[in-house]
Amino acid sequence: ETGVTQTPRHLVMGMTNKKSLKCEQHLGHNAMYWYKQSAKKPLELMFVYNFKEQTENNSVPSRFSPECPNSSHLFLHLHTLQPEDSALYLCASSQEPGGQPQHFGDGTRLSIL
Amino acid sequence: AQKVTQAQTEISVVEKEDVTLDCVYETRDTTYYLFWYKQPPSGELVFLIRRNSFDEQNEISGRYSWNFQKSTSSFNFTITASQVVDSAVYFCALSEERYTGTASKLTFGTGTRLQVTL
Repeated sequence: ETGVTQTPRHLVMGMTNKKSLKCEQHLGHNAMYWYKQSAKKPLELMFVYNFKEQTENNSVPSRFSPECPNSSHLFLHLHTLQPEDSALYLCASSQEPGGQPQHFGDGTRLSIL
Repeated sequence: AQKVTQAQTEISVVEKEDVTLDCVYETRDTTYYLFWYKQPPSGELVFLIRRNSFDEQNEISGRYSWNFQKSTSSFNFTITASQVVDSAVYFCALSEERYTGTASKLTFGTGTRLQVTL
C-alpha cells in the first residue's frame, strides 16, 4: 500500500460542477504537493505546502483551490473547470529540508466533459 | 533556471537487452540533487534513486545502475537484462538544496517511455 493515498482514482465532471480531490499521506512528512500531468507535457507543479502553509503557487488559475488543514491532508477543490483541465493530478509528500525525495500517490484521472 | 532534458521520447527493446536512459541537466547551483522515478501504467511515480551533487560514485541496485557525470551534466540510468515489468515511463528530476523549513521543488524532464517486449 502506498504511503500517499489519493481519492477518487477517476473523476468525470461537467464544467459547471464542483468537486474535490483528496490526498492523505501516512509517512510523517511535512511538505505536500499538487502536480498536473497532461498527455505529452512535463509534470507541472501546481502548489506546495510546507507545515500547512502554502509556499508556492505556480500561476494556477483560481478555479483550482488547494486546502491543507494539516500536514497529512491536502485537498484540491475544483470549480468551473475547462476541457483543457482534463489530466492526471498527482499528490506528493516529502520530508524537509529540501532535497529529499518526494513520494507520490496513484493520482486522480480527471475528465472534464 | 533549472532544466532537465530527456531527449529519448520512446525506447523499445526486446526482453533481456540492456537499455540506457539519458538525462542531461542544467543548474547554477553547486549543491543539488538528482532523482529517477518510474511511472508504470497505474500512474503512481515510484522513487528509484537520489544522488547529491558531491557524490559522483556510480550506483548499482540489482539490474539498475546509474552513471552520474558532473563534467557532462548527465545522470544516465541503465537497466541490464530488461524485463517486461520494466515497461514504464521513466522521469529524471533535479532539486536544488533547500534549508530547514523549506520544501523540495523538483524540476522534471519530459520522461522516456520504455517498452520491453518478449
